[in-house]
Amino acid sequence: QVQLVQSGAEVKEPGASVTVSCKASGYSFTSHYMHWVRQAPGQGLEWLGILRPWGDRTIYAQKFRGRITMSRDTATSTHYMQLNSLTAEDTAVYYCARDQSWASDVWGQGTMVTVSS
Amino acid sequence: QSALTQPASVSGSPGQSITISCTGSSSDVGGYNHVSWYQQHSGKAPQFLIYDVSNRPSGVSDRFSGSKSGNTASLTISGLQADDEADYYCSSYTRSDTWVFGGGTKVTVL
Repeated sequence: QVQLVQSGAEVKEPGASVTVSCKASGYSFTSHYMHWVRQAPGQGLEWLGILRPWGDRTIYAQKFRGRITMSRDTATSTHYMQLNSLTAEDTAVYYCARDQSWASDVWGQGTMVTVSS
Repeated sequence: QSALTQPASVSGSPGQSITISCTGSSSDVGGYNHVSWYQQHSGKAPQFLIYDVSNRPSGVSDRFSGSKSGNTASLTISGLQADDEADYYCSSYTRSDTWVFGGGTKVTVL
């Protein structure tokens, strides 16, 4: 079955960078875009961006442009999301979600990123 | 891109129907039929409910239905059940070639 398995929880200091991985299985890796979404504690969902796994085309939410990078490794069917210059406001659960018909049909289990000194 | 507007909470008794609204603009909800809905139980990842305004993926109960009029999309849950108690989010593709979520609606089954 289609599965997205994300990397484990991270604790980072302010100003640091974090990279979250998302390993895909059960479908053709290059046939689907991948969204990244985050959810701060007690808050709603926030769209971060999307990557097309062929050609490396990325679209980022304006709020994150300049400090976010999405990438993929087709050899291992893994997507990555790197966020730089972290602040306490970046503390959240980060999700990868496969795109299907301009929606997110399968979600990873989430990765908790805590930014604290 | 501002978040789409959803009511903070909606409640209903078992067996009743409820409707959650999702209001955007002509740049997102009103301009495209790429509106989707998600259910999120506490502490869990979101689950896919509706795509392209009113289409249900296989495996999703037909008690969930979607519609759109102008800049407002709606999710209706009929025959409300205890397990429907969760947070619900709408999302739309936008003119900026990005996506935007609603603020979320907490559904309570009385």
